[in-house]
Amino acid sequence: DSGVTQTPKHLITATGQRVTLRCSPRSGDLSVYWYQQSLDQGLQFLIQYYNGEERAKGNILERFSAQQFPDLHSELNLSSLELGDSALYFCASSPGQGNEKLFFGSGTQLSVL
Amino acid sequence: DQQVKQNSPSLSVQEGRISILNCDYTNSMFDYFLWYKKYPAEGPTFLISISSIKDKNEDGRFTVFLNKSAKHLSLHIVPSQPGDSAVYFCAASAGPNDMRFGAGTRLTVKP
Repeated sequence: DSGVTQTPKHLITATGQRVTLRCSPRSGDLSVYWYQQSLDQGLQFLIQYYNGEERAKGNILERFSAQQFPDLHSELNLSSLELGDSALYFCASSPGQGNEKLFFGSGTQLSVL
Repeated sequence: DQQVKQNSPSLSVQEGRISILNCDYTNSMFDYFLWYKKYPAEGPTFLISISSIKDKNEDGRFTVFLNKSAKHLSLHIVPSQPGDSAVYFCAASAGPNDMRFGAGTRLTVKP
C-alpha cells in the first residue's frame, strides 16, 4: 500500500459528460502529480501541484483541469469527454517538489462510451 | 514529446538469467533517473534510482547504469525471478517539477 488513495477505482460514462477524479496523497506529502496511461502508452504527465499551487504542466488538454485543496487532496476534472479520453488515470505524491521518488495510487480506470 | 524512450515493448528471459532493460533520453537537463515496476491493477512502485553524478547504483539484485554521454540508462536484474514479471517504466526529471516516463517494457521471466 503506497498510502496514496484514488477514488473511484472505475468510472463509466458517456461522451460529452464531465467527471471528477479524486486523490488523497500520502500523509505529509505536499506534491501531487496526475498521469494518464492510455492503451499501450506510457505514463503521460498531465500536471503537478505543490502545496496548493500549480508547479508544472504537461500534455493536459484544455478540457481537463485540476486543483489541490488546503488539505492537500487533489481533484482532476475532465469535461466534454471523448472516446479517446478512456484511460487509466494515476495520481502520485511526493514530499517535496521533484527529483525524488513518487508514490502512486492504484489508478482510476475511466471508460467513455 | 518522447523525451524518455523505451524501445523494447517486451522482453522474455529464463529464470536465473540476467534481464537487461534499456532506456534512452533526449533532454540533457535530466539529472535524476528512476525505474518503476508495475503489476496489473496496481500503480507503479519505485524500484531504484540514480543521480546524474553517478554512473552506477546497486540494490540487491537490481543495478542501474547511467551513460550520460550516450543519454542511456539500463536496469539489470540478476538473477531474474518469476516474481519480477511486470511492466518496467524508466523515468527522468530535471530538477523540481515534472517527471517524464517512458512507454514501459513488459518483462516476462519464465520458470
